[in-house]
Amino acid sequence: EPEVTQTPSHQVTQMGQEVILRCVPISNHLYFYWYRQILGQKVEFLVSFYNNEISEKSEIFDDQFSVERPDGSNFTLKIRSTKLEDSAMYFCASTPGGGFYGYTFGSGTRLTVV
Amino acid sequence: GQQLNQSPQSMFIQEGEDVSMNCTSSSIFNTWLWYKQDPGEGPVLLIALYKAGELTSNGRLTAQFGITRKDSFLNISASIPSDVGIYFCAGPVVGGGSNYKLTFGKGTLLTVNP
Repeated sequence: EPEVTQTPSHQVTQMGQEVILRCVPISNHLYFYWYRQILGQKVEFLVSFYNNEISEKSEIFDDQFSVERPDGSNFTLKIRSTKLEDSAMYFCASTPGGGFYGYTFGSGTRLTVV
Repeated sequence: GQQLNQSPQSMFIQEGEDVSMNCTSSSIFNTWLWYKQDPGEGPVLLIALYKAGELTSNGRLTAQFGITRKDSFLNISASIPSDVGIYFCAGPVVGGGSNYKLTFGKGTLLTVNP
């Protein structure tokens, strides 16, 4: 079964450092997303990406965050200057479009900011 | 913003017992999704509901889309140890357009004692 692949599975970084979280969405999917889950809390939407541009972003997704699809397969989330409160699981998701059928999440990257 | 209220927060049951959990909202939803999350993994879609009153099964799981469109429940029959995990309800954010972004409930933590 097709999967959304995320790397690394765990990243530890110092406060103020830049991090890039990587995702390979399912190959024929058109919509891409990043979600965040702080430990013990619910999954929260960060940003959606379609047709090579951001289609929507949440209040959490401030100027410190950016997303990119640098080639035909990767989808990245960059945090420019990490803060302690950025520590969370970050999930990438993709969907073919046209509904919620096939909406698939990756296994996540656990980001720890120290 | 839209809030999904899930209950109960946690459940401790014996293997073989049936389980029921539900999700309510003050807003109408056109789609209800139920996800399961294992520790350290991303949410995995269990059941998707698209029509008010719809009752859908997936093996030992059954979910219903409430007639009012403001609630949904998930039942698990004859629970087994691998049912352990966090169960989330989710639905599309109103005004999300074609972005298919999701809002999640806070989850129900299920523990099954063998």
